[in-house]
Amino acid sequence: GESVGLHLPTLSVQEGDNSIINCAYSNSASDYFIWYKQESGKGPQFIIDIRSNMDKRQGQRVTVLLNKTVKHLSLQIAATQPGDSAVYFCAETTDSWGKFQFGAGTQVVVTP
Amino acid sequence: GAVVSQHPSRVICKSGTSVKIECRSLDFQATTMFWYRQFPKQSLMLMATSNEGSKATYEQGVEKDKFLINHASLTLSTLTVTSAHPEDSSFYICSARPKDYTEAFFGQGTRLTVV
Repeated sequence: GESVGLHLPTLSVQEGDNSIINCAYSNSASDYFIWYKQESGKGPQFIIDIRSNMDKRQGQRVTVLLNKTVKHLSLQIAATQPGDSAVYFCAETTDSWGKFQFGAGTQVVVTP
Repeated sequence: GAVVSQHPSRVICKSGTSVKIECRSLDFQATTMFWYRQFPKQSLMLMATSNEGSKATYEQGVEKDKFLINHASLTLSTLTVTSAHPEDSSFYICSARPKDYTEAFFGQGTRLTVV
């Protein structure tokens, strides 16, 4: 099956707090996952990735957790800043060519 | 990172006309590119895989005669929306994965409005 985005949930977070964004993926065969950030009117930008042989990966201010048992990904953003306001998508793939299926997305709104 | 560029960024066309959107990989060669469509407040939906020198592969439900894809060189794929209707109004985004990367890079998108 494929993840189909039909709506866009919103996460409102206060500046300086930590954010947790969740994503349920659909294909148990997916072996590579990426979190992308999309600002209004722009294309997605890479944030962090993780392979299926890992359950956690950390970047600068971001951490991705992968739970293959329940097909769940999360993105944690530490000390959320106004510039983090955007829509966040998880994307999954089973191939090496760059063909990704996107999750529903979460709108993050950072309030002062 | 690698750069994928789309042109135009915005286009308005009349119903019944055709519109061509270009996707270029600026600093790498891409034998495969991907076209996505995104409606407001929704996710990116994969439309088709563009293959250099061969026919595109379309996702289920995407009309190949409506959305013509041509990948004539290793750095350029084009998407032509034929006989456009208002319901074709959307944000179209392309992507490609350079050989030495695991992630896909996305163009800045094209906002198509059909009036």
